[in-house]
Amino acid sequence: NAGVTQTPKFQVLKTGQSMTLQCAQDMNHEYMSWYRQDPGMGLRLIHYSVGAGITDQGEVPNGYNVSRSTTEDFPLRLLSAAPSQTSVYFCASSYMGGYTFGSGTRLTVV
Amino acid sequence: GNSVTQMEGPVTLSEEAFLTINCTYTATGYPSLFWYVQYPGEGLQLLLKATKADDKGSNKGFEATYRKETTSFHLEKGSVQVSDSAVYFCALISGGTSYGKLTFGQGTILTVHP
Repeated sequence: NAGVTQTPKFQVLKTGQSMTLQCAQDMNHEYMSWYRQDPGMGLRLIHYSVGAGITDQGEVPNGYNVSRSTTEDFPLRLLSAAPSQTSVYFCASSYMGGYTFGSGTRLTVV
Repeated sequence: GNSVTQMEGPVTLSEEAFLTINCTYTATGYPSLFWYVQYPGEGLQLLLKATKADDKGSNKGFEATYRKETTSFHLEKGSVQVSDSAVYFCALISGGTSYGKLTFGQGTILTVHP
């Protein structure tokens, strides 16, 4: 099925650990982005990419890295997890027809 | 910069009641406006959109009209169902496209009781 696939769905990390949230899309969309969702704050843009090899920062980029080596994949890396990064993370891709969101990764940092 | 403000929630209604969720925005130029819905445990789905002033977006009985003069995009439904219980997000993209950077409101939780 066409869409955006995120893995894992749930993750618990200890403070200081690193991990990568995976995101893949099979719709050949050029534009991909990562958002975090926190209660009462809506979704906030972390990083985005307008095509392979091109990334840029969003509203809340600190503590996160991204890369875009292929059109299909857009992984989000947490270098040293902090409790403030406890959140639900959504990956999305878009083209002329609008946005498609993944089902999310619920991350808890203890 | 761009911003979206939604009415405070949560909103609790009885089945068949009328729903309004207010949304106002601040943006440069002429943004595209969207309503997204998030059902429990799922990602966001596009509910409806409008890309220019006075356009009305509609889907599944929900409607919203792009009002440039009041910078608003209020969501309405004439008769809600239990299955409409979800979180609703108002959002915008600058420049009148459907694929730029989305700016979201804080979300409104809707609960519909039988």
